[in-house]
Amino acid sequence: GQQLNQSPQSMFIQEGEDVSMNCTSSSIFNTWLWYKQDPGEGPVLLIALYKAGELTSNGRLTAQFGITRKDSFLNISASIPSDVGIYFCAGPNSGYALNFGKGTSLLVTP
Amino acid sequence: GAVVSQHPSWVICKSGTSVKIECRSLDFQATTMFWYRQFPKQSLMLMATSNEGSKATYEQGVEKDKFLINHASLTLSTLTVTSAHPEDSSFYICSANPHVGGVWGTSYEQYFGPGTRLTVT
Repeated sequence: GQQLNQSPQSMFIQEGEDVSMNCTSSSIFNTWLWYKQDPGEGPVLLIALYKAGELTSNGRLTAQFGITRKDSFLNISASIPSDVGIYFCAGPNSGYALNFGKGTSLLVTP
Repeated sequence: GAVVSQHPSWVICKSGTSVKIECRSLDFQATTMFWYRQFPKQSLMLMATSNEGSKATYEQGVEKDKFLINHASLTLSTLTVTSAHPEDSSFYICSANPHVGGVWGTSYEQYFGPGTRLTVT
């Protein structure tokens, strides 16, 4: 499947700071998905993007589908301790399967 | 909506035994479910696509005789790890897409179960 490169690999920030992470693909996608995984849990869908240039928000989270259709960005504003976790981007593979990035681990200190 | 459950949440078994993990879609029908494996501090690796009423599609390198998948109904897929060995110890997660073959419209959105931690001693 297509390779997804996610960066940064990890982030260590203070509560209240904004966070930005991104994902790039070796090929064009028609869908980008962003998930969050808490330790010992399954991933939870945060935002789904379907159109190049699309900007979608979910509370303090905002994600954008890059114009080139090869990248996507996720921003978290005013981070809080419960934002801690691993954030994964995902894009379609063959059939309805998904390819996942390697994840961005976010740590937030009070 | 789009809730997926898994059972058990954790299991410890002896080497050589088999373990069955269940994945259920609680509020929708799923013609397609997916099984992933995740090692500590790593991403999700797709093992197989489970198709209701037909054979599962396995990813390259995944032994189909070791990881038996049965998708007998529109709300249940099972993964059986046969003759488990310590190297099979991992976090197994299933997901389902309510949009495939359903009335929700076409989409790639997958909803995940809470995962099953398998430890083989």
